[in-house]
Amino acid sequence: DGGITQSPKYLFRKEGQNVTLSCEQNLNHDAMYWYRQDPGQGLRLIYYSQIVNDFQKGDIAEGYSVSREKKESFPLTVTSAQKNPTAFYLCASSIYTGGYGYTFGSGTRLTVV
Amino acid sequence: AQSVTQPDIHITVSEGASLELRCNYSYGATPYLFWYVQSPGQGLQLLLKYFSGDTLVQGIKGFEAEFKRSQSSFNLRKPSVHWSDAAEYFCAVVLNQAGTALIFGKGTTLSVSS
Repeated sequence: DGGITQSPKYLFRKEGQNVTLSCEQNLNHDAMYWYRQDPGQGLRLIYYSQIVNDFQKGDIAEGYSVSREKKESFPLTVTSAQKNPTAFYLCASSIYTGGYGYTFGSGTRLTVV
Repeated sequence: AQSVTQPDIHITVSEGASLELRCNYSYGATPYLFWYVQSPGQGLQLLLKYFSGDTLVQGIKGFEAEFKRSQSSFNLRKPSVHWSDAAEYFCAVVLNQAGTALIFGKGTTLSVSS
């Protein structure tokens, strides 16, 4: 079955370390997205990508980086510049941006220790 | 600025009572509209969506939502709430144009009392 796989489900990071969250989809979707979720804040857009080798910053891109070398994959790196990285991260994909038919992964919970 | 507002942070409803969760948006044009539900520690599940046509849309789990253009609202309703409906609910919108992404409200937490 097609879907989005996020790994790992739980991730612990020491302060000052970079960490990469994986997001893979087999839906043949062109667009992919990363959201951050904090209690009471809803989901805020970090980065999104419309096609391979292209991505745009969302509302809270500072301290994060992404790549889109393959259509299926959109990894998110949380860098040491992100001052408050502890959060729940959700990846999503859609056929194209500005449309509908979004599919979400099950999320990665990142905790800084 | 474009925004999605869910005025109610937390709502408590008795089991069997009706439910209405509010959502207002601020966009230059009518966007596509969605309601999602999330159980603790889980991903999002789509309840329903509105693109065009009939302004009353039916979704899964007995939910429905009504689009009111004049009020820029897309409120979610359920006639009789079950204890299993306790979760967090998110309203989301996206413009029908390339280069835009789904934008979410801050969510409403629903508690169900017996």
